[in-house]
Amino acid sequence: EVNLVESGGGLIPPGESLRLACAASGFNLDRHDMHWVRQPAGGGLEWVSVIGPALDTFYEDSVRGRFTISRDDANNSLYLQMNSLRPGDTAVYYCARSAFSGEFDSWGQGTLVTVSS
Amino acid sequence: EIVMTQFPATLSVSPGERATLSCRASQSVSRNLAWYQQKPGQSPRLVIYGASTRATGIPARFSGSESGTDFTLTISSLQSEDFADYYCQQYDSWPLTFGGGTRVEIK
Repeated sequence: EVNLVESGGGLIPPGESLRLACAASGFNLDRHDMHWVRQPAGGGLEWVSVIGPALDTFYEDSVRGRFTISRDDANNSLYLQMNSLRPGDTAVYYCARSAFSGEFDSWGQGTLVTVSS
Repeated sequence: EIVMTQFPATLSVSPGERATLSCRASQSVSRNLAWYQQKPGQSPRLVIYGASTRATGIPARFSGSESGTDFTLTISSLQSEDFADYYCQQYDSWPLTFGGGTRVEIK
């Protein structure tokens, strides 16, 4: 059974850094595009970043240069290093797996990041 | 960036009635369009992909269609468990983008 479990969220002051993790089970991360998607309270879904099987990465404009997506194949885990955090980054962060045809067929339960002084 | 526009923002429907949700892409996404259902406090769940293919475990009352850059999700006879937020998403080109969502509420 495919399972994704995020961790690492919390309350963090503006300008600080945080690292999110997503532990995967039931499949190999390195065979799929893996994504981070965020959702502010009461808001919609916003795609953040992707890492592909060949370690190619892509970012949404507002996080490029501040966030870094990575993967640890030995631990079958996905990460999101978030630097220079802003109040606008406050959201629930989900990791999600792309099926081979591109749609997001599995999602984690999410981890809440609150950027506030 | 491809902009995905969903309408209406809120749809009030009685149980047993049909619900029709719309999503328009600002440019072609081919059939690389998915619909997700999200209930309060839960993560999104894939409903439709490839514009019209039901995901595993999704009941047959859910159907998707496409006409150029216009996409439709139809729920033929709403059940209590279908009242939720629905999002469309294009996965044709980067950055991937979601629509703003449609809330299906009980009338």
